[in-house]
Amino acid sequence: SQKIEQNSEALNIQEGKTATLTCNYTNYSPAYLQWYRQDPGRGPVFLLLIRENEKEKRKERLKVTFDTTLKQSLFHITASQPADSATYLCALNNNAGNMLTFGGGTRLMVKP
Amino acid sequence: GAVVSQHPSRVICKSGTSVKIECRSLDFQATTMFWYRQFPKQSLMLMATSNEGSKATYEQGVEKDKFLINHASLTLSTLTVTSAHPEDSSFYICSAGPGTSGTSEQYFGPGTRLTVT
Repeated sequence: SQKIEQNSEALNIQEGKTATLTCNYTNYSPAYLQWYRQDPGRGPVFLLLIRENEKEKRKERLKVTFDTTLKQSLFHITASQPADSATYLCALNNNAGNMLTFGGGTRLMVKP
Repeated sequence: GAVVSQHPSRVICKSGTSVKIECRSLDFQATTMFWYRQFPKQSLMLMATSNEGSKATYEQGVEKDKFLINHASLTLSTLTVTSAHPEDSSFYICSAGPGTSGTSEQYFGPGTRLTVT
């Protein structure tokens, strides 16, 4: 069966450190993989998109890697800040269009 | 950037009544909009794909007669929860993709918290 797995346990890190979140998938062949941020009671906010033929994408303090062999994406936040505390969702886009399937999300807590 | 709004942000209704939620793309045209439901501490579950001018496509297990979707224009889609029951209480979120440059990122509305009493 198809699965998108993110660590359901909260990730607690100290301010200034690099946070690394993992997204693993099985039985998908995504054209794109995306990362979103969601704050409590709010809709998700798009962060980064990486295509199947890209290995790495960066945006300011964010970096995403995509390994289609391992079927895994890593999401890094460098120099983390308390304001980065949120739930981070990965989502896969299948080849049939814009429909996204989301992972369960990982909650990140950055402590000052 | 692409902005999607939802109205209302919160609604409380009595069991058996119907509730309409609006989703608007404010600065772009959205041929396709998506409706999701999210229960506490769970991820987003796609309910249906809403296509302008045609019938919505519902995901397995979602009752189309209970969750009525209308996509009358390129900037507006509505979700009506009919004969609401307490188990319909959830966070409903819409999204749309501007579809620029062949990418498929989606822009989400702020969500609507529905409580059925």
